[in-house]
Amino acid sequence: GAVVSQHPSRVICKSGTSVKIECRSLDFQATTMFWYRQFPKQSLMLMATSNEGSKATYEQGVEKDKFLINHASLTLSTLTVTSAHPEDSSFYICSAPGTASTDTQYFGPGTRLTVL
Amino acid sequence: GQQVMQIPQYQHVQEGEDFTTYCNSSTTLSNIQWYKQRPGGHPVFLIQLVKSGEVKKQKRLTFQFGEAKKNSSLHITATQTTDVGTYFCAGGAQKLVFGQGTRLTINP
Repeated sequence: GAVVSQHPSRVICKSGTSVKIECRSLDFQATTMFWYRQFPKQSLMLMATSNEGSKATYEQGVEKDKFLINHASLTLSTLTVTSAHPEDSSFYICSAPGTASTDTQYFGPGTRLTVL
Repeated sequence: GQQVMQIPQYQHVQEGEDFTTYCNSSTTLSNIQWYKQRPGGHPVFLIQLVKSGEVKKQKRLTFQFGEAKKNSSLHITATQTTDVGTYFCAGGAQKLVFGQGTRLTINP
């Protein structure tokens, strides 16, 4: 199946700093990627849809200036958490639609962000 | 907006017992997908159901999609310790709305 990677897998940062998370589709191209956030023992919440070559679309309640998304190429999307605060600590997961069925999502391994 | 409810939130069983999780949507779904997330891991796609009343099996796992395409279930027969994890249903095309998940723990 399709493989999606994320980097870093874990990151600890100080409050007020910015953190960039990369999401790559390794063996296929993805014009669209999705970013989710998952708090402990909770479900995945869609944050935004990353679109190659155009602006990301954000879900209601997600601050676009705080969570900057850049879809630089057909295989790379980045999420930058700006001026991170402890409440931003979470598990961030990206996904990309499969090529055989665009409804099927392939998830990256996730990035666990801890803001001190 | 679309909401997907999933019950139960937790389920603890003895190894060898059966397990079922149920998913209900506030709106008709074009398809429903099921994912499994192991502790500390990421969601892994299990299956997609598209047709009304569809039933699919994967070894000990049976997936059903309701006639009205608003509900679904996942049934595991004779659970094994490798089945431990959280099972999520998700509806929608591309933009998935996830249920809250059912966390399955198993007593060996």
